[in-house]
Amino acid sequence: SQQGEEDPQALSIQEGENATMNCSYKTSINNLQWYRQNSGRGLVHLILIRSNEREKHSGRLRVTLDTSKKSSSLLITASRAADTASYFCATHSGNTPLVFGKGTRLSVIA
Amino acid sequence: GAGVSQSPSNKVTEKGKDVELRCDPISGHTALYWYRQSLGQGLEFLIYFQGNSAPDKSGLPSDRFSAERTGGSVSTLTIQRTQQEDSAVYLCASSLEQRNTEAFFGQGTRLTVV
Repeated sequence: SQQGEEDPQALSIQEGENATMNCSYKTSINNLQWYRQNSGRGLVHLILIRSNEREKHSGRLRVTLDTSKKSSSLLITASRAADTASYFCATHSGNTPLVFGKGTRLSVIA
Repeated sequence: GAGVSQSPSNKVTEKGKDVELRCDPISGHTALYWYRQSLGQGLEFLIYFQGNSAPDKSGLPSDRFSAERTGGSVSTLTIQRTQQEDSAVYLCASSLEQRNTEAFFGQGTRLTVV
């Protein structure tokens, strides 16, 4: 079953704008991860945030985690056409494997 | 190898035939996952191997699906008597351990059942 649910399902923005995607989940987690997928093939890991962390940065990426609301957000600043992809959140809970949401399709228009 | 390798990249098979999909994880990674992704959808968990522990098979959709991991390395996902609804991209991933580590994905096998 899918634990994370991303919102929105699709997002279209102009190059240079910021993109924000949200993820909600249902059970307690060890960590939450964000992945990017181009062209429906392999996923690339972007960032991992542990349950005791609230915010993490990596380059133009900023991830927040609110365990009280069971939600996370991924912010991509100063977006580029190359950021066009699908973005997935995934959670680790207890000894269960990574569980992925349905993803957000981001289109960045040049 | 440098990354997770999956073969074949594409597979077209006739309904009712059996197929085998292969995954070579990154050397030294003890955890290995199989997922399935239908067009435009999220990743559906199938099976998970961690070291010498019994695999977590809770995601396998039917008894036509099975997987093994030999010697803690290469894994094979087998689908018997394929059906059209089995058409999807099958993704394999590996990680150093289960908790608090990232997963590295292969490029997937696109399976088409005709």
